[in-house]
Amino acid sequence: DSGVTQTPKHLITATGQRVTLRCSPRSGDLSVYWYQQSLDQGLQFLIQYYNGEERAKGNILERFSAQQFPDLHSELNLSSLELGDSALYFCASSPQSSGNTIYFGEGSWLTVV
Amino acid sequence: QKEVEQDPGPLSVPEGAIVSLNCTYSNSAFQYFMWYRQYSRKGPELLMYTYSSGNKEDGRFTAQVDKSSKYISLFIRDSQPSDSATYLCAMIATDKLIFGTGTRLQVFP
Repeated sequence: DSGVTQTPKHLITATGQRVTLRCSPRSGDLSVYWYQQSLDQGLQFLIQYYNGEERAKGNILERFSAQQFPDLHSELNLSSLELGDSALYFCASSPQSSGNTIYFGEGSWLTVV
Repeated sequence: QKEVEQDPGPLSVPEGAIVSLNCTYSNSAFQYFMWYRQYSRKGPELLMYTYSSGNKEDGRFTAQVDKSSKYISLFIRDSQPSDSATYLCAMIATDKLIFGTGTRLQVFP
């Protein structure tokens, strides 16, 4: 158990809908990262937050947004969902903003039908 | 050219074999090197973490870093069917974390 908690574990929704994925980082970790992993694809970095502020942005679509709350939990919002958004979405956390190993949650498996 | 290159495999070996997994990188700013193991549809799990060139051993696993050649390796001794997973290398520069695409390993009994 990495200590990073993600909910929901599985989610099935229709195209055009909006979903929210939730992440609680390890105790004491200030950084939260979001990654997307599709079938046969590597980990695609989406976005990083550090202590409530956006720290780095990767290949995140405009239909996706995220935030980190004062209690350090984070949410990833996915809207106007398309079939191609079906993927595993991982949250990871680390103590600092950079230069640290990161620890992954078990992922949220999103299926868009 | 990608900053981190990793052979996707799959790599299929018999139980008990020594496995060598490798990554090359192009950015000399990378300072920290990690190996993650990912079972199917599970979160990547940190296996090894190294900073300097040389070897680091943990049980059946040895991580090797050669900064002069920009090459890192993970060796698995006495491989077991339970080692069947995807192995991802990862590297950190000052403010950048990059993952390899992962090598799928299959250890058959």
